[in-house]
Amino acid sequence: DTGVSQDPRHKITKRGQNVTFRCDPISEHNRLYWYRQTLGQGPEFLTYFQNEAQLEKSRLLSDRFSAERPKGSFSTLEIQRTEQGDSAMYLCASSLGAGSREKLFFGSGTQLSVL
Amino acid sequence: AQKVTQAQTEISVVEKEDVTLDCVYETRDTTYYLFWYKQPPSGELVFLIRRNSFDEQNEISGRYSWNFQKSTSSFNFTITASQVVDSAVYFCALSDIGTGANNLFFGTGTRLTVIP
Repeated sequence: DTGVSQDPRHKITKRGQNVTFRCDPISEHNRLYWYRQTLGQGPEFLTYFQNEAQLEKSRLLSDRFSAERPKGSFSTLEIQRTEQGDSAMYLCASSLGAGSREKLFFGSGTQLSVL
Repeated sequence: AQKVTQAQTEISVVEKEDVTLDCVYETRDTTYYLFWYKQPPSGELVFLIRRNSFDEQNEISGRYSWNFQKSTSSFNFTITASQVVDSAVYFCALSDIGTGANNLFFGTGTRLTVIP
C-alpha cells in the first residue's frame, strides 16, 4: 500500500534560484492539494487540483509559484526566484471525493531552505 | 471568516495520564466539518477524526475521545492513559462547506510530549 510520496525530502537552495517539487498521490485519488507549513504553524492551503484541473489558488500563491498536474496523476510545484520567506515545509495531500469534507492523506513533505 | 484556535502550544504529561487538547473555532456558516490530525516527528499528517456540524454526538475510539459542543464552538480531543507513541503535534482543522471553500483551515497545533 503506497501512500502519498514527495520528492525531495529536503532542498537547500540559494536565493534567486528556481526549485521544483514533485508529489505522487495515492493512485485512485482525484484530488490533490498543496499546503505550506512554517515552523510552529499549521499547514496553510496553497492550491488544489481535481484531476488535471487546477480549481483553486490561495492568495498566498504569488506569481512566482506555479503548480501543474498533467494527466491528473503526479503534481509539481515550482517556485521561481526563491526568497528567504519561501523557506517552509511544502506538504502534498490527496483525497478521493468531491469536497473538502473528505479526509486528506498527506505526504511527508519537502523541507525547503532558502539561504 | 474562518479561524481555528489552539491555545495550548505545548503540553507535557507523564505516561498513563489523561490529557485534553483544546480547539475553538469560528465560522459564519452553519454547515462545516471539523477535523483532528496528528503530525508525528516523521512529518506526515495523519487523519484522526472528522465531524460535521449537525452531529454533536461525542465519539470514542479506543483511548481517543472527542467532545464537540456547538454552543461553545469547541471540539476538544482527549487521550486517555497516554503513551509515549502519542507524542506528536496535533492539529484541529475546519472545512467551511457552505462557502464552497475546498480547503482546510488549520490551527497552530499543540505539541504533546508524553514522558515515560
